[in-house]
Amino acid sequence: DVQMTQSPPSLSASVGDSVTITCRASQNINYYLSWYQQKPGKAPKLLISYASTLQSGVPSRFSGSGAGTEFTLTISSLQPEDFATYYCLQSYIIPPYTFGQGTNLEI
Amino acid sequence: VQLQQSGAGLLRPSETLSLNCEVGGESFSTYFWTWIRQPPGKGLEWLGEIDHNGVTNYNPALKSRVTLSVDTSKKQFSLKLTSVTAADAAVYFCARVRSYVFDVWGQGTMLTVSS
Repeated sequence: DVQMTQSPPSLSASVGDSVTITCRASQNINYYLSWYQQKPGKAPKLLISYASTLQSGVPSRFSGSGAGTEFTLTISSLQPEDFATYYCLQSYIIPPYTFGQGTNLEI
Repeated sequence: VQLQQSGAGLLRPSETLSLNCEVGGESFSTYFWTWIRQPPGKGLEWLGEIDHNGVTNYNPALKSRVTLSVDTSKKQFSLKLTSVTAADAAVYFCARVRSYVFDVWGQGTMLTVSS
């Protein structure tokens, strides 16, 4: 299985800050990496596909980059609604699809 | 497209979890459909996926206990997880697989396992 190592596990930031979350894959996953946002009691929401493709309706302050084994999600100018848990997902070497452990972004 | 989950959320140890996911407003035959679970306070775990022809892929870690099925006439896919234990307590989500991502999710069903 491809192991996804996500860091940091938690992150404290303030409104207006810029933050970066990293996912590292144990094998080359090309660009088959997506990012999800999850708020308490809700299902995850897809933010970014193919490492850097922003989904329709997702604010442009979210951006993704990377290929191969290292990927980043950057949120610039944090807004109050951005405080949530973020997960990466690899979908290149399946089964199984594998998620990162999550990053809890706190105020 | 909307995904509406149904099924029992309280089981005793050794019982079988059965969940359904009904697909509304979208072509059922175009995609794979998947199940993911999330134990309380923990991360996401992929369980398996199925297409309209019944082609399945399972997580090897759970393959012996997980069965996915599909009913195209009802635009519904289903999860069965046998011999549940406390370790299976989680929120179970269904989702659509489109172009290698999970782009539409159900509302989630909480499974409690208690004797």
